Amino acid sequence: GEQVEQLPSILRVQEGSSASINCSYEDSASNYFPWYKQEPGENPKLIIDIRSNMERKQIQELIVLLDKKAKRFSLHITDTQPGDSAMYFCAASTGGNNKLTFGQGTVLSVIP
Amino acid sequence: NAGVIQTPRHKVTGKGQEATLWCEPISGHSAVFWYRQTIVQGLEFLTYFRNQAPIDDSGMPKERFSAQMPNQSHSTLKIQSTQPQDSAVYLCASSLGTSGNTLYFGEGSRLIVV
Repeated sequence: GEQVEQLPSILRVQEGSSASINCSYEDSASNYFPWYKQEPGENPKLIIDIRSNMERKQIQELIVLLDKKAKRFSLHITDTQPGDSAMYFCAASTGGNNKLTFGQGTVLSVIP
Repeated sequence: NAGVIQTPRHKVTGKGQEATLWCEPISGHSAVFWYRQTIVQGLEFLTYFRNQAPIDDSGMPKERFSAQMPNQSHSTLKIQSTQPQDSAVYLCASSLGTSGNTLYFGEGSRLIVV
């Protein structure tokens, strides 16, 4: 089955700077790549996603990039704020079902 | 829309006891997923149903774990003879069912086996 690697596991950035999280996947048939944010004690919530027919997508301060040839995708948070501090998960799924395989997660801390 | 509802939110059980976790998906969602979350393993897929039928249980430990979806409004995850290593947050999620649809997670059931 699909495997997703996510790095780094811990990320500390200064408020106002950018944060980047990188993921790689193995199954070239994967075509949907969501990102979830999980705050302490809460459930994971979708923040942005990208499909395989796109290379870049931006929603406000969130940018996702997808490189299908390299089987890598990444999340970039520009102008980070303390409220961005949380656990972030990348995931991948293959067409035909909605089963998500998650990366190990990144704990992001934004230092005021 | 109340979201995905999971009960109980917390359960403490003795080693060897049985634990049953319940999930009510969002109305109209045809796909229901169970995941297990631990600090060490992260978010692990367990099983999923589409239109109440089991589709993929490749993540389920074979001997003690079972899942059912007797109707479109609830699913259960049962763990028999619980072991300390079963301690985790069990997350249920639902979606519209087709590829690329958002998974909406419940708040989770935290299981502690002592």
